[in-house]
Amino acid sequence: EVQLVESGGGLVEPGRSLRLSCAASGFTFDDYAMHWVRQAPGKGLEWVSGISWNSGNTAYADSVEGRFTISRDNAKNSLYLQMNSLRVEDTALYYCARDRWATVTKLSKWFDPWGQGTLVTVSS
Amino acid sequence: DIQMTQSPSSLSASVGDRVTITCRASQSISRYLNWYQQKPGKAPKLLIYDASSLQSGVPSGFSGSGSGTDFTLTISSLQPEDFASYYCQQTYITPWTFGQGTRVEI
Repeated sequence: EVQLVESGGGLVEPGRSLRLSCAASGFTFDDYAMHWVRQAPGKGLEWVSGISWNSGNTAYADSVEGRFTISRDNAKNSLYLQMNSLRVEDTALYYCARDRWATVTKLSKWFDPWGQGTLVTVSS
Repeated sequence: DIQMTQSPSSLSASVGDRVTITCRASQSISRYLNWYQQKPGKAPKLLIYDASSLQSGVPSGFSGSGSGTDFTLTISSLQPEDFASYYCQQTYITPWTFGQGTRVEI
């Protein structure tokens, strides 16, 4: 069974850092690009960042560019999101999701499956 | 960034109804448009990709159409398990933006 399990969320003060993890199982992890997507409480979906299978290409939403860093460890079947200089508006449920393809640059993509998410709350 | 606008934001329907949700892109995205379903407390689930291709395992009552800037998700006969929120997503260019969502209520 294909499974993605996020962890690392929690309550953090503005300006602090947090590192999210996503553990993948049930598929060949390094065959796929991966993404982080977030959802603020009661709101819609916002793509955050994506990374190609070999970490050769990364992409970020403008709202997190320069503050967040996506990475992966194919030997550990894991995806990460290092979040620095956190803001109140970063409060959200963070999902990891698998791409259709190995590279983030390829068109005709989809995000499937998704994990269940890890909640990040930024508050003083 | 490409803006995705869904309408309506919410709708009320009954079991057996035909439901149509529209999604408009702020510029042409060819057919690079996906639809997702999200039930309360659950992760989104891919329904339709490339505007009209049904993802494996998704009931045939779901269909998608459109190209360019205007797209439609249709549920031919609403089932109890279809009451959820639906999101469109463009995958033409980064950032891969989503619509604001449409909540389908009883």
